[in-house]
Amino acid sequence: DAKTTQPPSMDCAEGRAANLPCNHSTISGNEYVYWYRQIHSQGPQYIIHGLKNNETNEMASLIITEDRKSSTLILPHATLRDTAVYYCIVRVAENYGQNFVFGPGTRLSVLP
Amino acid sequence: DTGVSQDPRHKITKRGQNVTFRCDPISEHNRLYWYRQTLGQGPEFLTYFQNEAQLEKSRLLSDRFSAERPKGSFSTLEIQRTEQGDSAMYLCASSFRTSGAIREQYFGPGTRLTVT
Repeated sequence: DAKTTQPPSMDCAEGRAANLPCNHSTISGNEYVYWYRQIHSQGPQYIIHGLKNNETNEMASLIITEDRKSSTLILPHATLRDTAVYYCIVRVAENYGQNFVFGPGTRLSVLP
Repeated sequence: DTGVSQDPRHKITKRGQNVTFRCDPISEHNRLYWYRQTLGQGPEFLTYFQNEAQLEKSRLLSDRFSAERPKGSFSTLEIQRTEQGDSAMYLCASSFRTSGAIREQYFGPGTRLTVT
């Protein structure tokens, strides 16, 4: 699976959009971009995933560049409960691959 | 609650003792994964099952570790002769595999093991 690079930490003001970047310059054509987050002392929580097109769900939006070498997770109106470690993972489809390879992630602090 | 559950949530044991953790996946999920997470690091893959078959084991899974999923439902992870380096959060996740479909993994709350 391709490796990802994320900033170790970011701050965001409550109510503002949080934009979390991820670089995955060696991504292959059949690899998806997944985002998970982990709130302190809990298991990771799935947020969103995508292949080429931008995706949006009730939690967040995922913007993938046209060359697919980077992506941005957007939390449109960050709340204090969004404070967590956010992991960007790239991997092949479920029916080809198995486990997720987590890096150290980005620690997002939402400030009041 | 229909999510992934793990038991116990916390376990303190003395070095050399054996411990066993249990994971109950989401009921319709046929894949089950075990991960280990140490402080400040992301989760690291240990092993996974498709139904009752254990399909992959990480090199992190030493011979003191064994995992089972006897009926393709719940799973157990046993650590024999625990060492202080085994202290970590042990996470279980499940997903549903279908041909051609992408299925995300859903994680349980974890079992925090402390070896004294």
